Amino acid sequence: AQTVTQSQPEMSVQEAETVTLSCTYDTSESDYYLFWYKQPPSRQMILVIRQEAYKQQNATENRFSVNFQKAAKSFSLKISDSQLGDAAMYFCAYRSANFGNEKLTFGTGTRLTIIP
Amino acid sequence: EPEVTQTPSHQVTQMGQEVILRCVPISNHLYFYWYRQILGQKVEFLVSFYNNEISEKSEIFDDQFSVERPDGSNFTLKIRSTKLEDSAMYFCASSYHRDRGHSNQPQHFGDGTRLSIL
Repeated sequence: AQTVTQSQPEMSVQEAETVTLSCTYDTSESDYYLFWYKQPPSRQMILVIRQEAYKQQNATENRFSVNFQKAAKSFSLKISDSQLGDAAMYFCAYRSANFGNEKLTFGTGTRLTIIP
Repeated sequence: EPEVTQTPSHQVTQMGQEVILRCVPISNHLYFYWYRQILGQKVEFLVSFYNNEISEKSEIFDDQFSVERPDGSNFTLKIRSTKLEDSAMYFCASSYHRDRGHSNQPQHFGDGTRLSIL
């Protein structure tokens, strides 16, 4: 079974600064997908960024980028130019690429606080 | 942008009662899911549903739980006899647009239903 570990329960960053959230995972599969979801106080789960394991290039979405290290099974999220609206719980998630095995396996989350 | 909608936003139920949580997935999505998040804990997979049947379920999804897509629009989660430990946020999600094949399409989540068992 796959597991996802987020070792930082809480992080804080000054507004406009850069912060990196860590995520490691364990799997025996070679093809899979990784995601970062954001959960603000409104509770909604919002997709931030995704990465296909077969792609070596790290995904980027505006101020959000990942550092995907497949051999190390590491998938960290970097948020540049942090904004107050980035304050939320961030969940790392894994999904198999096997058809019929579509479930997401989540980490325990990192609560990000933005300091004005 | 299309959204997954869930009703109600908050449900309070007496222990032992049946509860039905409702979801309207994104139109033309093919896969449907239920997850739950106990307060302060991580999001846990309950069940996935495809082609009018359960495709995968977790250990949490025991005989007290059932899912249904009664009318081609709604996707429901029923808990037959609720327990105190069923108190949690329940999220519905959907994925895979019919016309986009089996590429890496993310799951889109609803806002959740907070279920409180008294």
